[in-house]
Parts: sequence; structure tokens; C-alpha cells
Amino acid sequence: NAGVTQTPKFQVLKTGQSMTLQCAQDMNHNSMYWYRQDPGMGLRLIYYSASEGTTDKGEVPNGYNVSRLNKREFSLRLESAAPSQTSVYFCASSERQGLNEKLFFGSGTQLSVL
Amino acid sequence: KQEVTQIPAALSVPEGENLVLNCSFTDSAIYNLQWFRQDPGKGLTSLLLIQSSQREQTSGRLNASLDKSSGRSTLYIAASQPGDSATYLCAVKADSNYQLIWGAGTKLIIKP
Repeated sequence: NAGVTQTPKFQVLKTGQSMTLQCAQDMNHNSMYWYRQDPGMGLRLIYYSASEGTTDKGEVPNGYNVSRLNKREFSLRLESAAPSQTSVYFCASSERQGLNEKLFFGSGTQLSVL
Repeated sequence: KQEVTQIPAALSVPEGENLVLNCSFTDSAIYNLQWFRQDPGKGLTSLLLIQSSQREQTSGRLNASLDKSSGRSTLYIAASQPGDSATYLCAVKADSNYQLIWGAGTKLIIKP
């Protein structure tokens, strides 16, 4: 019953450092997503992948890159971290059924950029 | 541009009470609306999804309603329990792409 697994759970970076957030799902879902959650705001979509081999920008893609390595894995990379990227990051997956899809979320990565 | 608002940001009620959480959206042209639950340190869990053609959905003690014309949805929780304490978020699918527009959530505390 793993569902969506994210690593790491916590990370502290210095400005300018790079890192990759890992996400894997074991539900054979086609669609995967990266969101960020900031205090007092709704979740905002960074990137999504409708299927293996495709990725698209969401609402706030600047400063991020993604890789859909295979059907299971979708990683998010910060090339040069900035304090504005301090946030909680969530990965999600879904199996689209028309326009009604149920999302399954990982437990999140709390990232602090100093 | 679609905007989703949840008021209040926090709510504290005694155990056993029935309660209503609110979600409002600015553009009535939506495909569906979903309610999620978020527990501290954990991810989000989908509770209910209401399609644009539906008026309500029920799951156990939860009932979600949708009034597109007024841009509102409510999540009704019957006979609240301390285990219902969590943050509740609503999200609308505003068009045919993959993007959901999220509210900031209501943090609910049920006092024993």
C-alpha cells in the first residue's frame, strides 16, 4: 500500500545549491504532478506529466525542471535554489477518467532555502 | 481568472456538533469541484468529487453540495469527532486541462 512516495521529507539548502526531489507511484497511473503549498495559499501546480515521456508547465514553473523517468517516477529539480522556493512540495498521481480524476498525494517535502 | 476562497481560515467546535465548511469560486464555468482533507505532515486525501451537473455527493458523515450559479460549495460534517480535526481544502477544475484551482483551506479543530 505504498501509493505515492516522496523523498526526502525534509531538506535545508543554501541559496544557489541544487537538489532533486524524487517521487514514485506504484498504482500504474499515467498522470503525475508537482505542487507547492505556501502558507495562506492554495496549492499551485509547478509541472505535470500526462503520460510517460511528456511534461508540461503549470502555474509556477520558473526555477524548476522535471523529468518523467518512466511511468513510475517523476522528479523535480531545483537548479539554483532561492529563498522564494522555501515551501512544502507535494507530488501526486492520477488515472484520468474523463474530466473526473482522483488524485493521490505523497506526504510532502518540506524545503527551506536559506 | 478563476479564484477559490475558503472562509474561515480556521474553525474550532465541540465534539458532536454538525458543521459546515464553505468554498466559493468566482467563475461558474467549472467541470467539477473536489474536497480534500490534509493531516499535519501528511499528504492530501480526496474526500468527495462533485461533477458540474450534480448538486451533491455523500460519503458517510460527509455531504458536499454544489451551487454553480452562486459560485458556492459547502462540506457538511455530521456529528463531528476529534478525528475529523484536519485542514479541509476545496479545488475546482476550471477547464479541460489538468489544472485544479485550489482554495487555501479551513483548519478544523474538534474539541473533545
